[in-house]
Amino acid sequence: ETGVTQSPTHLIKTRGQQVTLRCSSQSGHNTVSWYQQALGQGPQFIFQYYREEENGRGNFPPRFSGLQFPNYSSELNVNALELDDSALYLCASSLGSGVSYEQYFGPGTRLTVT
Amino acid sequence: LAKTTQPISMDSYEGQEVNITCSHNNIATNDYITWYQQFPSQGPRFIIQGYKTKVTNEVASLFIPADRKSSTLSLPRVSLSDTAVYYCLVSSPSSGGSNYKLTFGKGTLLTVNP
Repeated sequence: ETGVTQSPTHLIKTRGQQVTLRCSSQSGHNTVSWYQQALGQGPQFIFQYYREEENGRGNFPPRFSGLQFPNYSSELNVNALELDDSALYLCASSLGSGVSYEQYFGPGTRLTVT
Repeated sequence: LAKTTQPISMDSYEGQEVNITCSHNNIATNDYITWYQQFPSQGPRFIIQGYKTKVTNEVASLFIPADRKSSTLSLPRVSLSDTAVYYCLVSSPSSGGSNYKLTFGKGTLLTVNP
């Protein structure tokens, strides 16, 4: 059974640019959630996708957007990058939406904005 | 969402039992309590989840008093490899629609010494 994978592992972008991060969910999982984790902080919920529909959103501006594909993989897009967007971006998949489902996290993508 | 409060850090020694307490005074009737573990440069890993009384699995126990305003994660006989950040989360089950949210606090850094 393949776990949650994310690509790329590391990424360096310039302020104002756009970035796309990718996540492949664990086999059989139909729900993907994205988190931003700044250094020394806990993960902050960005949004969740359940069966290709956005199912919840944290306090992030609209320049953070996402997609979930029919195979349940997902993308996180960030437009107009700011220095504060530098963080570890984590993707987690689960068997269903709702907090009673255990989330399986990927290793993350380290984004640096200069 | 109920706010959680945990100690910032704890120290222990190999072989000891470690108890990490989380307070969540504003927990709602339907909220679940979940604990995750995170090692540096990795995504969080689910440890245990509960609603009331006591839950035990192969790695930990979760104690929840009757008023549910706090919970205690108990790790029996810790080893050096248990050094990590432990997060307590209180979350409401999704009732459908776009109201899913999952909030991590800053967590507790547990350091296990030889």
